[in-house]
Amino acid sequence: EDKVVQSPLSLVVHEGDTVTLNCSYEVTNFRSLLWYKQEKKAPTFLFMLTSSGIEKKSGRLSSILDKKELSSILNITATQTGDSAIYLCAGRGGSEKLVFGKGTKLTVNP
Amino acid sequence: EADIYQTPRYLVIGTGKKITLECSQTMGHDKMYWYQQDPGMELHLIHYSYGVNSTEKGDLSSESTVSRIRTEHFPLTLESARPSHTSQYLCASSEVWDTQYFGPGTRLTVL
Repeated sequence: EDKVVQSPLSLVVHEGDTVTLNCSYEVTNFRSLLWYKQEKKAPTFLFMLTSSGIEKKSGRLSSILDKKELSSILNITATQTGDSAIYLCAGRGGSEKLVFGKGTKLTVNP
Repeated sequence: EADIYQTPRYLVIGTGKKITLECSQTMGHDKMYWYQQDPGMELHLIHYSYGVNSTEKGDLSSESTVSRIRTEHFPLTLESARPSHTSQYLCASSEVWDTQYFGPGTRLTVL
């Protein structure tokens, strides 16, 4: 059974800190790994990583896929209170459906 | 910015009532999905659709049903709500399986 595990489940930091969120996956016939940010409402898409695109960056956020370790990290530098959210990781395999982890709840204090 | 809408946003209802959660998207996406999410837990896929007149059950067993008569519309129905159905229901759509755009969700409470 496909599985995605995220760590830590919860994290509290101060504004300006750099954080690293972890995601490990066991997905049959792996095709892609996705990161979403979920605030009060809907998850919003951040990045998609594949075997041909293992590193993505957008502003203060960046993500890397480690195909050997079957894992991914999401880095956020110079955190702001607006970064407070639940960050979801999802894997997609041969079944084409996304398998989500439980998420990491990030709280950024001023 | 994705345009996907869900109504109602919040619903409190008594046991045994029939309810329909609405989901609409204006992007012309063929694929649409319903997920169930409990606090602190993963999103679980309960239904999906490849296009009009196509519906499939997801990985999590659900007593709900769905229909896809129009591309933009993917309603979810519970014939007889029970307290175990209390949860958040998220609708999503996409062109391809990977990049799914989510609606704001419906938080359902069954008393």
